[in-house]
Amino acid sequence: NAGVTQTPKFQVLKTGQSMTLQCAQDMNHEYMSWYRQDPGMGLRLIHYSVGAGITDQGEVPNGYNVSRSTTEDFPLRLLSAAPSQTSVYFCASSPGLAAYEQYFGPGTRLTVT
Amino acid sequence: GNSVTQMEGPVTLSEEAFLTINCTYTATGYPSLFWYVQYPGEGLQLLLKATKADDKGSNKGFEATYRKETTSFHLEKGSVQVSDSAVYFCALAYFNDYKLSFGAGTTVTVRA
Repeated sequence: NAGVTQTPKFQVLKTGQSMTLQCAQDMNHEYMSWYRQDPGMGLRLIHYSVGAGITDQGEVPNGYNVSRSTTEDFPLRLLSAAPSQTSVYFCASSPGLAAYEQYFGPGTRLTVT
Repeated sequence: GNSVTQMEGPVTLSEEAFLTINCTYTATGYPSLFWYVQYPGEGLQLLLKATKADDKGSNKGFEATYRKETTSFHLEKGSVQVSDSAVYFCALAYFNDYKLSFGAGTTVTVRA
């Protein structure tokens, strides 16, 4: 199993550009989520999904869109990038509701200039 | 709301030194507590957990005890190795709640 994979590993965007961060898992997990990691702030939940077709907002959802059309994939879209979205983004998946069961991907480092 | 506070780093140690990373939390009720580790270039991995007061979580020589009276979950290791160099995150969540609340992370560097 590849586990949780994320692409790209690094990305530089200009303010106002759009892009999609990809996340895929091959463990048939129902639950998937996106976090951002900022210095001095730990990880904060952006959006999460409890199954295909079902998504919900986390702690910091503004400026991000998600959809979940398949169990395997959970892309994160930035419609109009802002410098405040410079961060490291982690995707995670879980077989159940228990938070400790989450498996994290290796992350995408995004810089918005 | 829930919050987790952990000691600021970075922490630099020599091999075989004793490591302590302090973690305190603010929450209602009885959350579960976790330590995650992030090795360079990798995602977070669960290091250990404790689900109720006085539980001790342990893994890879690391230990942490859930102290309800002091709302703390300090991480300790008696003799660190260079391979323990990583960022360590304290976190909490409620039973059957997907959402984790993380501390800011503590960067630990162990020198040979």
